[in-house]
Amino acid sequence: DTGVSQDPRHKITKRGQNVTFRCDPISEHNRLYWYRQTLGQGPEFLTYFQNEAQLEKSRLLSDRFSAERPKGSFSTLEIQRTEQGDSAMYLCASSLGAGLDGYTFGSGTRLTVV
Amino acid sequence: KQEVTQIPAALSVPEGENLVLNCSFTDSAIYNLQWFRQDPGKGLTSLLLIQSSQREQTSGRLNASLDKSSGRSTLYIAASQPGDSATYLCAGPGGGYQKVTFGTGTKLQVIP
Repeated sequence: DTGVSQDPRHKITKRGQNVTFRCDPISEHNRLYWYRQTLGQGPEFLTYFQNEAQLEKSRLLSDRFSAERPKGSFSTLEIQRTEQGDSAMYLCASSLGAGLDGYTFGSGTRLTVV
Repeated sequence: KQEVTQIPAALSVPEGENLVLNCSFTDSAIYNLQWFRQDPGKGLTSLLLIQSSQREQTSGRLNASLDKSSGRSTLYIAASQPGDSATYLCAGPGGGYQKVTFGTGTKLQVIP
């Protein structure tokens, strides 16, 4: 296992288009998290899955955002009708248990909305 | 609600200096704290995890301490090198067991 993988690494899209990002967690990790990081800020929590169940969503996750983890393995984050304010680094992390122990981040997907 | 603050926001030091990065948090019920490194445009790399039962953790030239009573953690970097240049983020559990609250980071530049 090579860690948490995210695809694509970079995405440039026109305002109004839909985009989808993928995250493949460490295989034995049952918990998966999405974070968003804007320039000069720390990552902010978006949503959390335990296996295939989405157990928590931040109010940052507007109705244009949807995340899935259909089989409890990889996850997708879709943004519909992108806006310039959506430009950010989207980070995925996974862990085996609660808390920070074993929390592993992917390299992120950098989204630029033009 | 957990809030995490990091001081300074940016730091520039000559190579070889020892330095301390500071992190403060508001929820003293924190049960562990982690320091991460982030290189420009990249994801986060875990450096040190301190459990609440521990006071410090060491890895090579890095030493992290946790003082729950004062709500502070420090990351000490000994004999800094240009390769240490990065943003350092501290993070603690916030609002439950699942999500993590990050500070805004300290951007470190080590000048050769």
